Amino acid sequence: GQQLNQSPQSMFIQEGEDVSMNCTSSSIFNTWLWYKQDPGEGPVLLIALYKAGELTSNGRLTAQFGITRKDSFLNISASIPSDVGIYFCAGQRWAGTSYGKLTFGQGTILTVHP
Amino acid sequence: DARVTQTPRHKVTEMGQEVTMRCQPILGHNTVFWYRQTMMQGLELLAYFRNRAPLDDSGMPKDRFSAEMPDATLATLKIQPSEPRDSAVYFCASGSPIEPRDRGTEAFFGQGTRLTVV
Repeated sequence: GQQLNQSPQSMFIQEGEDVSMNCTSSSIFNTWLWYKQDPGEGPVLLIALYKAGELTSNGRLTAQFGITRKDSFLNISASIPSDVGIYFCAGQRWAGTSYGKLTFGQGTILTVHP
Repeated sequence: DARVTQTPRHKVTEMGQEVTMRCQPILGHNTVFWYRQTMMQGLELLAYFRNRAPLDDSGMPKDRFSAEMPDATLATLKIQPSEPRDSAVYFCASGSPIEPRDRGTEAFFGQGTRLTVV
């Protein structure tokens, strides 16, 4: 089946530092989504990417859809304590028998020290 | 403020009992996903529906799990009989195809049902 490899698994950074995480896949995806999950809550959608090469920003967050359609990265600039949480990438195909199936990476646990 | 509503938020049950989890998708959304989250396996897709029809439930143990959409405003996930290994957080998410319709579906999550089977 489709596998997403997300890295790093965890990050410990100082407030103010930039953060980068990425996802790679052995299969092509048509859409990449990035989510953040706070403790006790469901994942919240941060950024959606629809085209290969697309670069999209949402405040201090920037994400890119890889040219090969097999990878994506998320950058957080000037991190703040409320950035703490688990970040997930998710890939979606909208062709064939897996139309609309949304597959998640393993998550990146982000800790920000004040 | 549109949101996916899941009930109950927490459920503790004894092994062998039936468990039913409910989800009210965001009004107008035609796609519903069920995920299970554990520390070991992360977010696993159990099943998903479009226009109330199941598209893929290959991630779901068929002998004890069942997922249905009795109508457009309700999705259910049942476990019968429940086992301790079913303890996890179960999430429902809903979405609709992004226009133009070749852009997939963004999924919006509920707060989850935390299930503990003892």
